[in-house]
Amino acid sequence: KQEVTQIPAALSVPEGENLVLNCSFTDSAIYNLQWFRQDPGKGLTSLLLIQSSQREQTSGRLNASLDKSSGRSTLYIAASQPGDSATYLCAVLNRDDKIIFGKGTRLHILP
Amino acid sequence: DGGITQSPKYLFRKEGQNVTLSCEQNLNHDAMYWYRQDPGQGLRLIYYSQIVNDFQKGDIAEGYSVSREKKESFPLTVTSAQKNPTAFYLCASSINFVEVRNTEAFFGQGTRLTVV
Repeated sequence: KQEVTQIPAALSVPEGENLVLNCSFTDSAIYNLQWFRQDPGKGLTSLLLIQSSQREQTSGRLNASLDKSSGRSTLYIAASQPGDSATYLCAVLNRDDKIIFGKGTRLHILP
Repeated sequence: DGGITQSPKYLFRKEGQNVTLSCEQNLNHDAMYWYRQDPGQGLRLIYYSQIVNDFQKGDIAEGYSVSREKKESFPLTVTSAQKNPTAFYLCASSINFVEVRNTEAFFGQGTRLTVV
């Protein structure tokens, strides 16, 4: 059974710092991995999608990497801003078409 | 505007009553999903549907039911058999052709259900 783990569960960093969020999964037979952002009480906003054949994707200050063989992905946020404060979730699309989520990392950027 | 719409945003239910949450999408997506989120937890899959008139149980299907009579609609019924229904419910959709598994999943804004 696929399990997705995100470390750390919570993170506070001063504004302007670069940071890395981690995601690991137990079954490497995935179609893709997606990173989402969730603001309190809201739905999920897609940030980046990495296909199983890709190693990384970039969007603005965000860069996500995927090492499928080791079951790991990282989300790198450059030059963090207070508006980046949110919960970040990673999810994998399994071969059985289930999308499985980690529990998320709560990020707080200190002004 | 293309997107996925959940209604209502807030819902209150008395114990012992069934309630239906609405999820509609105009993205022409084949696959639709229902998740439950509890405070401090990730999303847990309740049911998913890859095509009209077909759906599968997720990890926590007990006490829930769904239907997929139309491509754009995937309503979720929370029955009285669900022991702890108070939660935030999220619906998602994605393209799901056999040849194409590299597209994003899109989410609605959620329905917060409270049992009173």
